[in-house]
Amino acid sequence: GAVVSQHPSRVICKSGTSVKIECRSLDFQATTMFWYRQFPKQSLMLMATSNEGSKATYEQGVEKDKFLINHASLTLSTLTVTSAHPEDSSFYICSARKPDSYYGYTFGSGTRLTVV
Amino acid sequence: SQKIEQNSEALNIQEGKTATLTCNYTNYSPAYLQWYRQDPGRGPVFLLLIRENEKEKRKERLKVTFDTTLKQSLFHITASQPADSATYLCALLMDSNYQLIWGAGTKLIIKP
Repeated sequence: GAVVSQHPSRVICKSGTSVKIECRSLDFQATTMFWYRQFPKQSLMLMATSNEGSKATYEQGVEKDKFLINHASLTLSTLTVTSAHPEDSSFYICSARKPDSYYGYTFGSGTRLTVV
Repeated sequence: SQKIEQNSEALNIQEGKTATLTCNYTNYSPAYLQWYRQDPGRGPVFLLLIRENEKEKRKERLKVTFDTTLKQSLFHITASQPADSATYLCALLMDSNYQLIWGAGTKLIIKP
């Protein structure tokens, strides 16, 4: 199988603080992980592609200084929302691709971020 | 750029009937087309994948078809059950960067 664990599942933080979200591949090594953002009743929006040992590739319109991504090992990628504001409140989801696999991607369970 | 259209309205189906969801795309055909299920407050779960040279793929009560001429995929759930109620997402895997392009999803409601 391919299991991705994402933590925390829910977080409430004060405006101006930073929040870190972790994404771990439990039973495989993920050279590439993806971070998505999803608003209610909308599709998943790709924020960035995280590659182990190199800088993340951010999608157009995503502030790389605000959404810091670190993929320091083959099983862990983190997304840090810095100086969070209420408009950053959203559902953040990570996914990983098992190397040499063209099959379905595995997703974390998501993190509901609420900035107050 | 590639766009994906799924029925934006919720689909209400009577239990036991076949539910059919549609995914249309606009430009060139993807190498792989995938279907996922997403429950509220959860990440998507992979269901089925179909390659561009395949016409149909089945898995238990699920069936996916892929028509590159119509630029359309259909997702069928036979003998539907209330537990099948969820949002179903269509995603296209386009090329070697392994990124997925997502539809907005169709909410399926199976009524007992």
